[in-house]
Amino acid sequence: KQEVTQIPAALSVPEGENLVLNCSFTDSAIYNLQWFRQDPGKGLTSLLLIQSSQREQTSGRLNASLDKSSGRSTLYIAASQPGDSATYLCAVQGEETSGSRLTFGEGTQLTVNP
Amino acid sequence: DTGVSQDPRHKITKRGQNVTFRCDPISEHNRLYWYRQTLGQGPEFLTYFQNEAQLEKSRLLSDRFSAERPKGSFSTLEIQRTEQGDSAMYLCASIRARTGAGYTFGSGTRLTVV
Repeated sequence: KQEVTQIPAALSVPEGENLVLNCSFTDSAIYNLQWFRQDPGKGLTSLLLIQSSQREQTSGRLNASLDKSSGRSTLYIAASQPGDSATYLCAVQGEETSGSRLTFGEGTQLTVNP
Repeated sequence: DTGVSQDPRHKITKRGQNVTFRCDPISEHNRLYWYRQTLGQGPEFLTYFQNEAQLEKSRLLSDRFSAERPKGSFSTLEIQRTEQGDSAMYLCASIRARTGAGYTFGSGTRLTVV
């Protein structure tokens, strides 16, 4: 059974700081990995998708890396802003044999202070 | 296409009542998933459809829960005889299978059972 762990559970930083969110998963047989953002009481917004054959993806100030063999991914946020405050969720997508379902971590709650 | 739509956004119901939620996926997506998220946790898989066929149900989906996707378009999730433990955010997502593309989530339906 796939298990996903995110560290830290919560993080508070001053505006402008660079930060790293960590995600680990127990079963390396994944199809891809997706990072999401969730604002309080809202749905999930996709940030980055990394295919299992890829090592990293970048979008603006966000960079996500994937080390499939060691079961790890990181989300790097450069020059953080108060608008980045949200919960960040890591999710691994299983292969077709598991219906390609997503398994989520519990999230990292990020607060960026002005 | 405006993405994945869920209705209603919020539902407050008395214990023992039945509720039904609707999800309209992205039109060209052939797979539709339902997830449940309780406060402070990551979303958990409930069930998924490929076209109109329900291919898998989680053990979280008790006999009081039923989901349908008639004609492979929109889907409904019904909860009968609601209990306070059913209070959660119910999220719907869709993908086009085997394309390598990521999930798109709706805004969710927040259910409160009083």
